Amino acid sequence: GQQLNQSPQSMFIQEGEDVSMNCTSSSIFNTWLWYKQDPGEGPVLLIALYKAGELTSNGRLTAQFGITRKDSFLNISASIPSDVGIYFCAGQRTTDSWGKLQFGAGTQVVVTP
Amino acid sequence: NAGVTQTPKFRILKIGQSMTLQCTQDMNHNYMYWYRQDPGMGLKLIYYSVGAGITDKGEVPNGYNVSRSTTEDFPLRLELAAPSQTSVYFCASIPGGGYGYTFGSGTRLTVV
Repeated sequence: GQQLNQSPQSMFIQEGEDVSMNCTSSSIFNTWLWYKQDPGEGPVLLIALYKAGELTSNGRLTAQFGITRKDSFLNISASIPSDVGIYFCAGQRTTDSWGKLQFGAGTQVVVTP
Repeated sequence: NAGVTQTPKFRILKIGQSMTLQCTQDMNHNYMYWYRQDPGMGLKLIYYSVGAGITDKGEVPNGYNVSRSTTEDFPLRLELAAPSQTSVYFCASIPGGGYGYTFGSGTRLTVV
C-alpha cells in the first residue's frame, strides 16, 4: 500500500503566490527528499533532509524534516512559471536498506500568469 | 557526463512479446534501481542492485527480471508483456551510502 501520503494532489496558483505541500506517514523516516519532475523527464533532486527538525533552503524552496520523523513539508515562495511540474516527496524508512526509498504520489503544480 | 541513460524512450508492445529496457550510468555508482510510475501513484521499486552480480527484488518484481554484469549497466527484462505492465519506467543510481538518486529520463511502455 501507499507508504507516504502526499497532499495536495494538485494546485493551481497564480504567479507570485507561495506554494505548500506535505508528506505524512505512519512509519519513521531517517531521510526525507523532495524531487521535481518535468514532463517527459525523470525526477530531479531539489532538497535532502537528514535530521529531525532540520530546515533547509534551496533558493525559493524551503523544506523541513518533521520532529516526529513521520512527516515533511516543502514550500515554494513567489512562484514563477518554470515551477510548473510534479513534486514528489521520498524518504528512507528506518526499516529500509540499500538506499531504497518510498515515494509519495506527487503534487501537480500549475502556475498561471 | 551523461549521467543515467535509458533506452528506448517509447515502446509499444503486444501482449506476450518480450523486451529489454536498457539503463547505463557513467558515474561509477554501485547502487542501481528500477522503478515504475503509474498515474496518480508514487514510484514503485521493481528491482535493485548494490553491485555487479548482486540483484534483489523490490516491491513489484513479478513479470520482470534483471541482471548486473557490469557496474555501468542494469537492464530490465519483460518476458511476457501484459497490459498491467503499461507504465513509465525509471532507472536510477546512487553511490553506495548516498540518497540523492540520479534518475534517467524514463521509458514509456504501452502493452496492447
